[in-house]
Amino acid sequence: TQLLEQSPQFLSIQEGENLTVYCNSSSVFSSLQWYRQEPGEGPVLLVTVVTGGEVKKLKRLTFQFGDARKDSSLHITAAQPGDTGLYLCAGDQGAQKLVFGQGTRLTINP
Amino acid sequence: DAGITQSPRHKVTETGTPVTLRCHQTENHRYMYWYRQDPGHGLRLIHYSYGVKDTDKGEVSDGYSVSRSKTEDFLLTLESATSSQTSVYFCAISESVRGGQPQHFGDGTRLSIL
Repeated sequence: TQLLEQSPQFLSIQEGENLTVYCNSSSVFSSLQWYRQEPGEGPVLLVTVVTGGEVKKLKRLTFQFGDARKDSSLHITAAQPGDTGLYLCAGDQGAQKLVFGQGTRLTINP
Repeated sequence: DAGITQSPRHKVTETGTPVTLRCHQTENHRYMYWYRQDPGHGLRLIHYSYGVKDTDKGEVSDGYSVSRSKTEDFLLTLESATSSQTSVYFCAISESVRGGQPQHFGDGTRLSIL
């Protein structure tokens, strides 16, 4: 059983469209991180959200932490081919360990 | 980029042989982690270390052991490799995960057990 459920697991859309990726859990996290991973490389941190209800923006990417700190979403506006990659959410339960979702593989077609 | 080097980057070996993967960091970070990444599972924690000679198990530790004799090196050993351990292995480092501190990842080791 996955502690953090990401949906969808695969998403293929056209350039210029908008999309949202979800990360859900029944557990509370002290913080939640989003990573992006390219083929042959390790994940790279995009953002950390800490406070319930927090919204952070990174150019065309908007990240939200749920009010109860159990879920998060990533919204991309006007997707570009350079956004293609594997997106991973990771929750910190405060035990010096992160628990990762299974990932969303995003493909943006020109 | 954080100074993390994983070696080897690729390895093919046979069932039943011992395998050791190395993670070397130049950041002097306290925490080091070994994950495996498999399709549909994201990253799963194998073992982690919170200091020299201080290690603990993660969620998928069976069949794996680790050692950390120096701050900069964290070794992962598969004592007798099995085909189910075919995976991509990532090392990560962190100053802390309190307050949402990030983990920095190496580029991975692709391990195939035949």
